[in-house]
Amino acid sequence: QKEVEQDPGPLSVPEGAIVSLNCTYSNSAFQYFMWYRQYSRKGPELLMYTYSSGNKEDGRFTAQVDKSSKYISLFIRDSQPSDSATYLCAMSLPFSGAGSYQLTFGKGTKLSVIP
Amino acid sequence: ETGVTQSPTHLIKTRGQQVTLRCSSQSGHNTVSWYQQALGQGPQFIFQYYREEENGRGNFPPRFSGLQFPNYSSELNVNALELDDSALYLCASSRQGYNQPQHFGDGTRLSIL
Repeated sequence: QKEVEQDPGPLSVPEGAIVSLNCTYSNSAFQYFMWYRQYSRKGPELLMYTYSSGNKEDGRFTAQVDKSSKYISLFIRDSQPSDSATYLCAMSLPFSGAGSYQLTFGKGTKLSVIP
Repeated sequence: ETGVTQSPTHLIKTRGQQVTLRCSSQSGHNTVSWYQQALGQGPQFIFQYYREEENGRGNFPPRFSGLQFPNYSSELNVNALELDDSALYLCASSRQGYNQPQHFGDGTRLSIL
């Protein structure tokens, strides 16, 4: 079993739809939870960054973390064609005693928003 | 504020050769991490540098090595290239700390023939 599971899609939705993207994880040591957006031929761009269980909202984006179920979600409201990209969930795993961490990523979900 | 920049953008090598990839960190960042992203996969952690020393390492063989310079820029070196090394190599910079997010460059696409 991989440490982070993410449905790779592809996911195709009409413009204006609400999009739900999800990841599950197995490692209880993961500390922070992130969502990155990656356009074709570009690097990942940080969208959302959360620590606690609960919801965090930023514009059209809402990140949800449920540590008890080891499940995280990203919701996109009023989706736009410009949201078409691959969405990667990522989780931080601290280095022992080194004050930093590595990221463990899901495979990414490819989203297409159709005008 | 200048973001993370990587060079070159694309590189073609043959098996057995050696390659050096470069990364300039975002202004104010002192920590650099390198990731390998195979086609259709999420990035995988290679190693991290802080204060010019390797701070942590993923499951990659010793032929993957790196450097960090006093200006916080970094290099990734790969020796004895193999076909499976073909991937997008991403550099991420951050401030040191568990709660500091990592910001990525656009990567170097390495193709091994």
